[in-house]
Amino acid sequence: NAGVTQTPKFQVLKTGQSMTLQCAQDMNHEYMSWYRQDPGMGLRLIHYSVGAGITDQGEVPNGYNVSRSTTEDFPLRLLSAAPSQTSVYFCASSEDRRSNQPQHFGDGTRLSIL
Amino acid sequence: DAKTTQPNSMESNEEEPVHLPCNHSTISGTDYIHWYRQLPSQGPEYVIHGLTSNVNNRMASLAIAEDRKSSTLILHRATLRDAAVYYCIPPIIQGAQKLVFGQGTRLTINP
Repeated sequence: NAGVTQTPKFQVLKTGQSMTLQCAQDMNHEYMSWYRQDPGMGLRLIHYSVGAGITDQGEVPNGYNVSRSTTEDFPLRLLSAAPSQTSVYFCASSEDRRSNQPQHFGDGTRLSIL
Repeated sequence: DAKTTQPNSMESNEEEPVHLPCNHSTISGTDYIHWYRQLPSQGPEYVIHGLTSNVNNRMASLAIAEDRKSSTLILHRATLRDAAVYYCIPPIIQGAQKLVFGQGTRLTINP
């Protein structure tokens, strides 16, 4: 049971480039979300999805797009990378969005924008 | 939104119990309390959660005060692998289960 898998683990981009961070879970979870963690700070919610075909914005959505075509996958797209998007990105999933459901996190993608 | 207060850091010795406190005096009656931890260079890891009564699992115990204004995460026998930042979080439900990670408590375990 792999849990939540994020790829790539590390990436360096130039300003203006675009890329997609991949997230997959094999637990048949309905709820998935993306967070970013800047150095020395807590995690902030970017986007989330309560099921296939349904996405919504979190706390810091600007500059990012998401889609949820399957239950398993929830990719995060950076449209035009900026240095301010240098961060560690974590994907999480849970059975659903109820407050008694624990969230399972991936190991993160460390992204640097030059 | 419920606010939480945790000590910035704590230190303990290996194989001794550790009690990590959290104050959440503004929590509502239906908010669960979740605890996560983050080891260096890893993603957050779920530890335990509870609503009103004390909870136990293979990782830890959670003691919740009767008035629910505070809780304590108990690691019964700390190991070096338990060195991490521990977060006490009441999830926010506004269309999403949003986890607001504050500064947490950095736990150091001495060999």
